[in-house]
Amino acid sequence: SQQGEEDPQALSIQEGENATMNCSYKTSINNLQWYRQNSGRGLVHLILIRSNEREKHSGRLRVTLDTSKKSSSLLITASRAADTASYFCATVRYMEYGNKLVFGAGTILRVKS
Amino acid sequence: AAGVIQSPRHLIKEKRETATLKCYPIPRHDTVYWYQQGPGQDPQFLISFYEKMQSDKGSIPDRFSAQQFSDYHSELNMSSLELGDSALYFCASSDGVRAEAFFGQGTRLTVV
Repeated sequence: SQQGEEDPQALSIQEGENATMNCSYKTSINNLQWYRQNSGRGLVHLILIRSNEREKHSGRLRVTLDTSKKSSSLLITASRAADTASYFCATVRYMEYGNKLVFGAGTILRVKS
Repeated sequence: AAGVIQSPRHLIKEKRETATLKCYPIPRHDTVYWYQQGPGQDPQFLISFYEKMQSDKGSIPDRFSAQQFSDYHSELNMSSLELGDSALYFCASSDGVRAEAFFGQGTRLTVV
């Protein structure tokens, strides 16, 4: 991975359970974003958390960010079969011209109905 | 709402041929990114443009080049194609202020 590791690499849960995915990164960041990707499809933006934020919610999604540990977690509550996908974190660093957007390795989530 | 448009969606080329992938960013977005994603891999950053100027370069082979035009669309040119270039190629655009990047559906390139 260009940025860091995601943990776990694969996760299989039953519908209705919660899924937690973790992401670690190596450099200082300005914000961190989570994306979902269905097999062979495009990446869908889920949520963005800024470096001065510690927690953010969006529907069934909860994201935390610990800049001291250079890590983030994505929690999906009450999972559904439709949540089956790969999930990636991506870090953003602001540069003088444009931003640097780098992806982590991804977690494959399978939600069984 | 307008999204990022990539064309073509699928492309089959032979070894040593050239390919051109196109990306049309969301209107008023000032940054375009290109990524390559092999099977089961995370997206690997290739190159980005900010206001039509190259802003960052990643693991882009010398055989590849890219540019952003006056209308903000971008093209990724790939020459002397190799079997290992077979992958999904994604373009994303963002507003430098909000920084959320939105991705196109990708171009699946198959080199045979």
